[in-house]
Amino acid sequence: DTAVSQTPKYLVTQMGNDKSIKCEQNLGHDTMYWYKQDSKKFLKIMFSYNNKELIINETVPNRFSPKSPDKAHLNLHINSLELGDSAVYFCASSQVEGPNQPQHFGDGTRLSIL
Amino acid sequence: AQSVAQPEDQVNVAEGNPLTVKCTYSVSGNPYLFWYVQYPNRGLQFLLKYITGDNLVKGSYGFEAEFNKSQTSFHLKKPSALVSDSALYFCAVRDPTDNYGQNFVFGPGTRLSVLP
Repeated sequence: DTAVSQTPKYLVTQMGNDKSIKCEQNLGHDTMYWYKQDSKKFLKIMFSYNNKELIINETVPNRFSPKSPDKAHLNLHINSLELGDSAVYFCASSQVEGPNQPQHFGDGTRLSIL
Repeated sequence: AQSVAQPEDQVNVAEGNPLTVKCTYSVSGNPYLFWYVQYPNRGLQFLLKYITGDNLVKGSYGFEAEFNKSQTSFHLKKPSALVSDSALYFCAVRDPTDNYGQNFVFGPGTRLSVLP
């Protein structure tokens, strides 16, 4: 069973549209994250959420919003998509008991804006 | 704020030879250090971590890393490379006082190619 799963794997859409990416983890972890990996493979954290508190990277546009219906899910909603949003988006999770815990990543969603 | 540098974009090594992927970091206080590997079209997979204790850390798939506080380095090593080790490797540093992962900083990645 996949520990962290994301859907869809590929998402192709037009500029200006609104889209969502779903993420589910079956590890029982308390904290989930969203990362953006650009075309040069640089990885940047966007959000972390521990079912009580959302921490946002201040560089992330407010068109991006995470939604957590329950502890096992953290979906990413993106409004008014722009060309620069094209990237691979990774969901991850970890236990919250300490910063020494590694993160478990999903396989990514490749978003392409036309 | 912490930062991570991986000075080599690309490392090429012949199969069977030892490999080293370099990582240096900058953080106030004692760092938590991690190595991850990314295969094509996959997410990052955890390899190993240094939290405290022995400077030589052993991880998955025969990899190990050596923490050197004076040189602020955490180089990844393997005694004998396999073609299947070819992938993108990321070093990451985390602030021990951070409980929510916001300060989990990844390096730019190093592409390792193991030639048969």
